[in-house]
Amino acid sequence: EDQVTQSPEALRLQEGESSSLNCSYTVSGLRGLFWYRQDPGKGPEFLFTLYSAGEEKEKERLKATLTKKESFLHITAPKPEDSATYLCAVLSTNDYKLSFGAGTTVTVRA
Amino acid sequence: SQTIHQWPATLVQPVGSPLSLECTVEGTSNPNLYWYRQAAGRGLQLLFYSVGIGQISSEVPQNLSASRPQDRQFILSSKKLLLSDSGFYLCAWSLSYEQYFGPGTRLTVT
Repeated sequence: EDQVTQSPEALRLQEGESSSLNCSYTVSGLRGLFWYRQDPGKGPEFLFTLYSAGEEKEKERLKATLTKKESFLHITAPKPEDSATYLCAVLSTNDYKLSFGAGTTVTVRA
Repeated sequence: SQTIHQWPATLVQPVGSPLSLECTVEGTSNPNLYWYRQAAGRGLQLLFYSVGIGQISSEVPQNLSASRPQDRQFILSSKKLLLSDSGFYLCAWSLSYEQYFGPGTRLTVT
């Protein structure tokens, strides 16, 4: 069974203090790894898809990287508007459904 | 561009009452459609998956059911709600690997 573990559960940052979120996964064969952002009371917003080890994607202050066992979401010089819960999910080659982690809640203080 | 709608946004229902949540997608044809539930502090749990009209796969045996009467309409129902049905219900669509989520429905069963 596919497993996704995100750490830490919560992260409090000062504005401008860069940090990284971790997503460790176990899957028989990786079809794709996905990052989402979720604001309180709203649906997840799609951020990135990573398909193979070594791949990197960037969007504004966010950068996602992928290895064979984990993915990192790097937040560079965060701003208060980056405060949200970040979800990681994997899709295996022999399945049709995403397996989600529990998420990391990021709070950025001004 | 594609848009996904869910209603109602919030719902408070007594135990034993029926349920009907609706999801519609605009701007695409033949999407895969999904119903998820998100409990507080937990990951997303896939409830139902549909690849076409009248084609529903159930992931979790429970007192919920789903129907897809039209290509871009997905309905989540229950004949009798339980306290444990409380949660945040999310509809999602996809054409390939990435899934795109709606705004969600907050259901409280009292």
